[in-house]
Amino acid sequence: NAGVMQNPRHLVRRRGQEARLRCSPMKGHSHVYWYRQLPEEGLKFMVYLQKENIIDESGMPKERFSAEFPKEGPSILRIQQVVRGDSAAYFCASSLLAGDYYEQYFGPGTRLTVT
Amino acid sequence: GIQVEQSPPDLILQEGANSTLRCNFSDSVNNLQWFHQNPWGQLINLFYIPSGTKQNGRLSATTVATERYSLLYISSSQTTDSGVYFCAVTSRYSGAGSYQLTFGKGTKLSVIP
Repeated sequence: NAGVMQNPRHLVRRRGQEARLRCSPMKGHSHVYWYRQLPEEGLKFMVYLQKENIIDESGMPKERFSAEFPKEGPSILRIQQVVRGDSAAYFCASSLLAGDYYEQYFGPGTRLTVT
Repeated sequence: GIQVEQSPPDLILQEGANSTLRCNFSDSVNNLQWFHQNPWGQLINLFYIPSGTKQNGRLSATTVATERYSLLYISSSQTTDSGVYFCAVTSRYSGAGSYQLTFGKGTKLSVIP
């Protein structure tokens, strides 16, 4: 049973470019969460999605960041016009049902470097 | 929001030694998970343990929900145990945000041969 898949594992972007991070949840999971680990700041929640719905994006920066989880295909975290401060590890997690009572399984992460 | 404190922040062990890592949380929780972030940055699920005790090989964990703490035990440590151990919780009383995992700052473990 494959775990949570994320790609790419490493992504380098120049300032001003767009970054697209992909996440395929575990088989049968329809709840996806994105977390960000900034250097020296720990892991922080960004957004929670179900298929075709954003449930909670309270942790997302107001500008340049967006997320989607379409009916078919992976969840996408999109960062427009990247800046150096966006350099971080981005983790995706999935759960079978809503995550307050259910274990969240994490992917290996995507390490974004902005030059 | 809920606060999660982990101790100690750093720990150095000789290979073969045992250790106990602690996680205190400030409010009632629905979900508590322990993770290991290895030196390559991958986040590995260790335990889902909102209450009670679980064991998996050399690792075990206990959560005493009424006293708001959890312990992770590592026995006969190996160099591959090195990395950062995180505790994360979801708060029972956060309403719509109750599924957000709030992470502690972690315990950095170094196991030396």
